Amino acid sequence: DGGITQSPKYLFRKEGQNVTLSCEQNLNHDAMYWYRQDPGQGLRLIYYSQIVNDFQKGDIAEGYSVSREKKESFPLTVTSAQKNPTAFYLCATGVLPGNEKLFFGSGTQLSVL
Amino acid sequence: AQSVTQPDIHITVSEGASLELRCNYSYGATPYLFWYVQSPGQGLQLLLKYFSGDTLVQGIKGFEAEFKRSQSSFNLRKPSVHWSDAAEYFCAVGSNTGNQFYFGTGTSLTVIP
Repeated sequence: DGGITQSPKYLFRKEGQNVTLSCEQNLNHDAMYWYRQDPGQGLRLIYYSQIVNDFQKGDIAEGYSVSREKKESFPLTVTSAQKNPTAFYLCATGVLPGNEKLFFGSGTQLSVL
Repeated sequence: AQSVTQPDIHITVSEGASLELRCNYSYGATPYLFWYVQSPGQGLQLLLKYFSGDTLVQGIKGFEAEFKRSQSSFNLRKPSVHWSDAAEYFCAVGSNTGNQFYFGTGTSLTVIP
């Protein structure tokens, strides 16, 4: 979606390696989210942040870490503790309060070498 | 606990035929309900949303959905499907605090000529 940039589009991870997925937005939205998408499982929430320097775990946070040092940026690190990282990762933003809808980036496909 | 069920994993329809995608939700309070569409390798685009008021909501691309509280359903409909409607469709429920969204597992739509 316009205004949300996810990079890279494709990413490969070697065993034992940490990798970081970038999400940048220029929509001035307060809330940012990371979802993981696996075939047949829909979207599952990894982490979300409603304000700078604060974030909350979602349903599947183990093996992932995030930071929110700036309103515009919400990077996701997939650590070596995440044993099954191959998935499509989606970043989303929303306006608080109420979050009338989510705006989605175009996603990053992470694969394991 | 909040949850969304999309009972149909895959649906095939002929171009020009009508379409109905099913969605059932479980939510403790008045839900915010959404339908999103996803093309392969892309993010999600909002089709329509329901917060309150008229239970029949109109969305983009000729889609509509009806909220039925008694059935905990929010089914998506389109009277005449176009080949370009082939995509993955996700139903979602959100809290009115805006801090979490829950997605169904998706329904994949194939349109045959």
